[in-house]
Amino acid sequence: NAGVTQTPKFQVLKTGQSMTLQCAQDMNHNSMYWYRQDPGMGLRLIYYSASEGTTDKGEVPNGYNVSRLNKREFSLRLESAAPSQTSVYFCASSSPGQGKETQYFGPGTRLLVL
Amino acid sequence: AQSVSQHNHHVILSEAASLELGCNYSYGGTVNLFWYVQYPGQHLQLLLKYFSGDPLVKGIKGFEAEFIKSKFSFNLRKPSVQWSDTAEYFCAVRPMSNTDKLIFGTGTRLQVFP
Repeated sequence: NAGVTQTPKFQVLKTGQSMTLQCAQDMNHNSMYWYRQDPGMGLRLIYYSASEGTTDKGEVPNGYNVSRLNKREFSLRLESAAPSQTSVYFCASSSPGQGKETQYFGPGTRLLVL
Repeated sequence: AQSVSQHNHHVILSEAASLELGCNYSYGGTVNLFWYVQYPGQHLQLLLKYFSGDPLVKGIKGFEAEFIKSKFSFNLRKPSVQWSDTAEYFCAVRPMSNTDKLIFGTGTRLQVFP
């Protein structure tokens, strides 16, 4: 049981390049999330998916797109990377529980945009 | 707007000292409360959580937290810290009106010296 996995672990992009961050979970969770973590700002929600086939914007969605490919996988795409998107990106999935959901996090992807 | 405040940004302690990290939130309705820990270079791990019942919650590694509804607080405590507790600690709140939304504080960096 690997939990939440993310690839790649580290990426360097030039401004304007595109890339997709991959996330997968093997816990049969319905909900999945993408956060970014910046110094002094905690974690901020980019997008989330409450179930397969649905996605919703979080606090900071601009510049990102997501795809919930199936129940296991939730990808985050940067179409045209900007230096402001330099950050650590965490994927999470949430156990069901009717009001007792708990989010579990992946190891993160460090992204540097030059 | 709903928010979570962690007023201690950086705490430095010696081993065996007692720890209390503050967490206050601004939301008038029913909430779930969480503390996560992030060890250097690692992902977020759940320390403890409160859903309902006894407001004193015990978590892993000797941590506990007390929910005081009247003060909108969920402070984290440990009677005697160890060098291995050096990490960043995040408080998070989930309003029951929107269980997809987990709002994080900005984090408290704890350094423990031998």
